Amino acid sequence: GESVGLHLPTLSVQEGDNSIINCAYSNSASDYFIWYKQESGKGPQFIIDIRSNMDKRQGQRVTVLLNKTVKHLSLQIAATQPGDSAVYFCAENIQGAQKLVFGQGTRLTINP
Amino acid sequence: DAGVTQSPTHLIKTRGQQVTLRCSPKSGHDTVSWYQQALGQGPQFIFQYYEEEERQRGNFPDRFSGHQFPNYSSELNVNALLLGDSALYLCASSLDRVERGYTFGSGTRLTVV
Repeated sequence: GESVGLHLPTLSVQEGDNSIINCAYSNSASDYFIWYKQESGKGPQFIIDIRSNMDKRQGQRVTVLLNKTVKHLSLQIAATQPGDSAVYFCAENIQGAQKLVFGQGTRLTINP
Repeated sequence: DAGVTQSPTHLIKTRGQQVTLRCSPKSGHDTVSWYQQALGQGPQFIFQYYEEEERQRGNFPDRFSGHQFPNYSSELNVNALLLGDSALYLCASSLDRVERGYTFGSGTRLTVV
């Protein structure tokens, strides 16, 4: 079936530390993945994406890793800042479906 | 360049009533998808409109319907509202395929009492 789940619902890190948010997906036909950040009262904001023919992609302070063997996705945020506090979702697009399947989300809290 | 705009931002309705939510896609986008996000959950796909037709649908009852206009804007209609329909309704636009840029609006917060 379709499901995207997260290992941890909450994560607290110290400001300046690196954070890693994990995600498991179950559909081997998924060919595109996105990480979103959602702040209170706002819609999901695109952070970074990765296609299934890649295993790593880097952005500004963020890196996404994809392990298709174990159907695992992770988001690494370097040198976290207070503005990184939000709920983070991974989402998958099943090939040909053109819709996103979201997980429940992880709340990231940055401690000063 | 305006992003995805949704209206209204907040809405309170009574059980059994009907509601219409509106979405204007990002400039240059032609595809609109609607999602329902319950409190503490990830968004769930309702349906997608492309070329004024419903192209895909998620596991939502027929009480949920929609429309896309020639200018690509879209409406989501929900009939016979239930308390469980209370949620944040998100609109996302794209240029046909998800990989070509998928942008969300800020949503409409619907409360059914």
